Amino acid sequence: QVQLVESGGGVVQPGGSLTISCVVSGFNFNDYGVHWVRQAPGKGLEWATFIRYDGSNKYYAESVKGRFTTSRDTSRRTVHLQMDGLRSEDTGIYYCAKDGERRSHYGRWLDGWGQGTLVIVSS
Amino acid sequence: IVLTQSPDSLSLSPGERATLSCRASQTVSVYFLAWYQQKPGQAPRLLIYDASSRATGIPDRFSGSGSGTDFTLTISRLEPEDSAMYYCHQYASAPKTFGQGTRLEIK
Repeated sequence: QVQLVESGGGVVQPGGSLTISCVVSGFNFNDYGVHWVRQAPGKGLEWATFIRYDGSNKYYAESVKGRFTTSRDTSRRTVHLQMDGLRSEDTGIYYCAKDGERRSHYGRWLDGWGQGTLVIVSS
Repeated sequence: IVLTQSPDSLSLSPGERATLSCRASQTVSVYFLAWYQQKPGQAPRLLIYDASSRATGIPDRFSGSGSGTDFTLTISRLEPEDSAMYYCHQYASAPKTFGQGTRLEIK
């Protein structure tokens, strides 16, 4: 079955950097894009990034553009989210999620989710 | 596109029907709207995509409808395990956005 497992969360100081990862299994990684969605404590969902199935294009929310970078490693079936210039408002659970449409160019619905990794930005 | 869900919360009894609304600030083209359920401490789960298509394994008590700017998630014959937050999500235009959520309590 489809599985996504995030790792790498932790506590980081404002202005610092952190890279979180998502290892996937149970589907053809080469055919599906992956999203990152975050959730601040007690708040709703916020879409952050999408990387296309072949890594050729990446899309970012305005709130993270220029600070976050998503990438994928096909050999390791892993998607990374590098986060620089972290701010207190970046605190939350970060979920990776599988796109629902095969070879989607812009990303569609999210049909498989990991359990999330917690990022805390605090001094 | 800003998505506004209503009501913010509702409390219903088992066996009743829940109607959750999601209104978009501009037209959502090609029915590119999904619904997710999230229970406390869990990741979201896809219920409906393309406005009315049920995801794999989702019971037919859950149904989606709507087009343009107005979409609805209907849950018939409510069960205690339906207590959760429900979010709509549009993927028609960038950036993708979620509604603020509706909290459903089963009394």
